[in-house]
Amino acid sequence: GNSVTQMEGPVTLSEEAFLTINCTYTATGYPSLFWYVQYPGEGLQLLLKATKADDKGSNKGFEATYRKETTSFHLEKGSVQVSDSAVYFCALSDINTNAGKSTFGDGTTLTVKP
Amino acid sequence: SQTIHQWPATLVQPVGSPLSLECTVEGTSNPNLYWYRQAAGRGLQLLFYSVGIGQISSEVPQNLSASRPQDRQFILSSKKLLLSDSGFYLCAWSVTSGRQDTQYFGPGTRLTVL
Repeated sequence: GNSVTQMEGPVTLSEEAFLTINCTYTATGYPSLFWYVQYPGEGLQLLLKATKADDKGSNKGFEATYRKETTSFHLEKGSVQVSDSAVYFCALSDINTNAGKSTFGDGTTLTVKP
Repeated sequence: SQTIHQWPATLVQPVGSPLSLECTVEGTSNPNLYWYRQAAGRGLQLLFYSVGIGQISSEVPQNLSASRPQDRQFILSSKKLLLSDSGFYLCAWSVTSGRQDTQYFGPGTRLTVL
């Protein structure tokens, strides 16, 4: 079956620091990959996605590249802000093997201090 | 544009009482619908998903049930709540596009069972 493994948190950084949150996946098919973000007390919202190998998803200064050879989709940001403090979820979706259901990682909590 | 609503936003219920959480989607037709539970500091657990009216698939055995009486309405219920039912309940929708489903989440319902 499909699975997603994320770097365990919590992660605490100072403002303007470089961020990497690791994500690796296992899939029997050819999934699309996602990063979702959850701000305190809210639902999840899509941050970025990539639908095929070597694609780079980007949004709000965050980037992630779909690496099929290493089955990874690591999230990066060059300079984090206090407002980036949230829980980040890596996920995959493949309708051919999982009937449209997404598989989520356990989430990584990021705290950015001024 | 599409929107998703959940209510109530917060709920405090005694053990053994019934539960009804409602989710509605606007601006799309025939969406896939999902109920997730998020325990404190944990990842997402998929409870139910539905691909159409009256079609419900349960992911985990429990004392919760789901129903989809209308195309864009998804209800989560219980006849008798347990302490372990406390958590943050998230409804989501998706429409299959290509090989992937991006999921769009509601704002969530915080349930506390006392």
